[in-house]
Amino acid sequence: AQSVTQLGSHVSVSEGALVLLRCNYSSSVPPYLFWYVQYPNQGLQLLLKYTSAATLVKGINGFEAEFKKSETSFHLTKPSAHMSDAAEYFCAVSPLRGGSNYKLTFGKGTLLTVNP
Amino acid sequence: DAGVIQSPRHEVTEMGQEVTLRCKPISGHDYLFWYRQTMMRGLELLIYFNNNVPIDDSGMPEDRFSAKMPNASFSTLKIQPSEPRDSAVYFCASRTGEGNTIYFGEGSWLTVV
Repeated sequence: AQSVTQLGSHVSVSEGALVLLRCNYSSSVPPYLFWYVQYPNQGLQLLLKYTSAATLVKGINGFEAEFKKSETSFHLTKPSAHMSDAAEYFCAVSPLRGGSNYKLTFGKGTLLTVNP
Repeated sequence: DAGVIQSPRHEVTEMGQEVTLRCKPISGHDYLFWYRQTMMRGLELLIYFNNNVPIDDSGMPEDRFSAKMPNASFSTLKIQPSEPRDSAVYFCASRTGEGNTIYFGEGSWLTVV
């Protein structure tokens, strides 16, 4: 079984401040982990993914995330928030690279608000 | 390249009516997924197909929901009869057999009144 817990359904930061969105996972096998972003009235767009290579993963728009096995975490960060970062962010886990057992399980999402 | 294409983008229907949502996956992708997003339950996987064959439909809420994939470039999600609690955003997504990234469509916003 696999699951994802995103701590904080709503995070508010000031423009220019550090963004930290938390994600903890549970998986019975080594996981693949993803962060997706959803802008208002749009679909989900992949920000970055961890697939057992480097533990620090860099994504689009200046975001990065670090896989910490000991903490079962995959927190998303950005050094300086921009107004355009306001969106909902989803952490997701998959147990396998592919195959018929593939399932991507999402967290509940964290709404990021950026204040001017 | 065209992404995952869904239609309709928005639909408002009356309770009891049949609703059909359509999806065209990215060409060459052999996995197709249907997700539902609501405020209460977040993103839920309803069903997914591999090479047009349904692999796991354990997320389909009840018999009123059905999904088909008659060929590699088309899938439908049907709700019959629809109920107000079916109001949600329905996403279609696809990926290749070797890749681990799922690509999402823009979603179909369904309101059942």
